[in-house]
Amino acid sequence: AQSVSQHNHHVILSEAASLELGCNYSYGGTVNLFWYVQYPGQHLQLLLKYFSGDPLVKGIKGFEAEFIKSKFSFNLRKPSVQWSDTAEYFCAVQNSGAGSYQLTFGKGTKLSVIP
Amino acid sequence: NAGVMQNPRHLVRRRGQEARLRCSPMKGHSHVYWYRQLPEEGLKFMVYLQKENIIDESGMPKERFSAEFPKEGPSILRIQQVVRGDSAAYFCASSPQGGGEKLFFGSGTQLSVL
Repeated sequence: AQSVSQHNHHVILSEAASLELGCNYSYGGTVNLFWYVQYPGQHLQLLLKYFSGDPLVKGIKGFEAEFIKSKFSFNLRKPSVQWSDTAEYFCAVQNSGAGSYQLTFGKGTKLSVIP
Repeated sequence: NAGVMQNPRHLVRRRGQEARLRCSPMKGHSHVYWYRQLPEEGLKFMVYLQKENIIDESGMPKERFSAEFPKEGPSILRIQQVVRGDSAAYFCASSPQGGGEKLFFGSGTQLSVL
């Protein structure tokens, strides 16, 4: 079964610092990859996704992620965080192919940005 | 176009009571998915429904849990005889077609069992 690991439970950064959140998955087949964000009190929102093509994916709000197939990784990055990026971030993986609608989520990483 | 609406946002039940969680998908979406997030865990798939059909309930506990998505009205996740271990956030998502490409999540229902 697919599993997803997010290495950091809670990350605390000052504004303007750079961010990298790790995500690794276990299944070696073809996968679709997602990062979701949940701001306090709000619903999960899609930040970015990778299905195929350029392994460097750009999302909303200045976020990007790089798919490294050999490392089974899909790390999220942002060069300069803002206080408004304080939220919980979830990596999710979907095995592509017929009937593959289930997303497997990591446990999430809470990001706190200090002004 | 309203997003995925879940209600209630917070639900408190005593052990042994029933919990009913509602999810209204986005307009035009006929596919609904329920996920559960236990404390300190990631979201776990529970069930996938289309109108009047359960497509995949492989993630649902075998007892006490049921889900429906009737022809009219919201999708309902029903938990009978709740226990403390059912305390979790329950998220609903909808999509216009099967697959994860265009999945929209609701804000979730936080169920607390006393």
